[in-house]
Amino acid sequence: AQTVTQSQPEMSVQEAETVTLSCTYDTSENNYYLFWYKQPPSRQMILVIRQEAYKQQNATENRFSVNFQKAAKSFSLKISDSQLGDTAMYFCAFNLFNTGNQFYFGTGTSLTVIP
Amino acid sequence: KAGVTQTPRYLIKTRGQQVTLSCSPISGHRSVSWYQQTPGQGLQFLFEYFSETQRNKGNFPGRFSGRQFSNSRSEMNVSTLELGDSALYLCASRSGTGVIQYFGPGTRLLVL
Repeated sequence: AQTVTQSQPEMSVQEAETVTLSCTYDTSENNYYLFWYKQPPSRQMILVIRQEAYKQQNATENRFSVNFQKAAKSFSLKISDSQLGDTAMYFCAFNLFNTGNQFYFGTGTSLTVIP
Repeated sequence: KAGVTQTPRYLIKTRGQQVTLSCSPISGHRSVSWYQQTPGQGLQFLFEYFSETQRNKGNFPGRFSGRQFSNSRSEMNVSTLELGDSALYLCASRSGTGVIQYFGPGTRLLVL
């Protein structure tokens, strides 16, 4: 079975500080993509960052970066220089190459950026 | 390109009724997936349609069904509504070979 675990239901961070959101997953497959999606209070889910499992280099997108540990099946998201607009629910997800491309999501981490 | 659109945005129904939700994917996207989102449960996968065929199905009862039309628009139907069906229903689309899903704003369903 494929599972995604986000063990931090809620987190907060001071504006301009750095925060790390945790995610672990379980799959017996070897080829997959990993994602972090953000859902602001307006509810539109948007992609933050993605990582191909076959790439060892960690993905970065401006202030967002990941720490991908394939052996440990860990995929954490680091947000640097946190901004008020980063306040949102963050979902970790992965997608298998070979099984119809179904996505598996975690239960989310609610992040609040404090002014 | 216009994003994924969902109608209606809000819906109130009573137990036992049925409901149909609609999703229009991004132009050119042939895959549409549906998710149920409830507090504490995250996103639960309902089903995915690709070129009018159901490609994947989650672990939901048969009261939840869907279909996709030739223009890639998709509908989701829930029959005999239960209180526990109250949720945000999200639709996501992607191209046939794409790995990124693009989400719509969701339909908030309240069952009384």
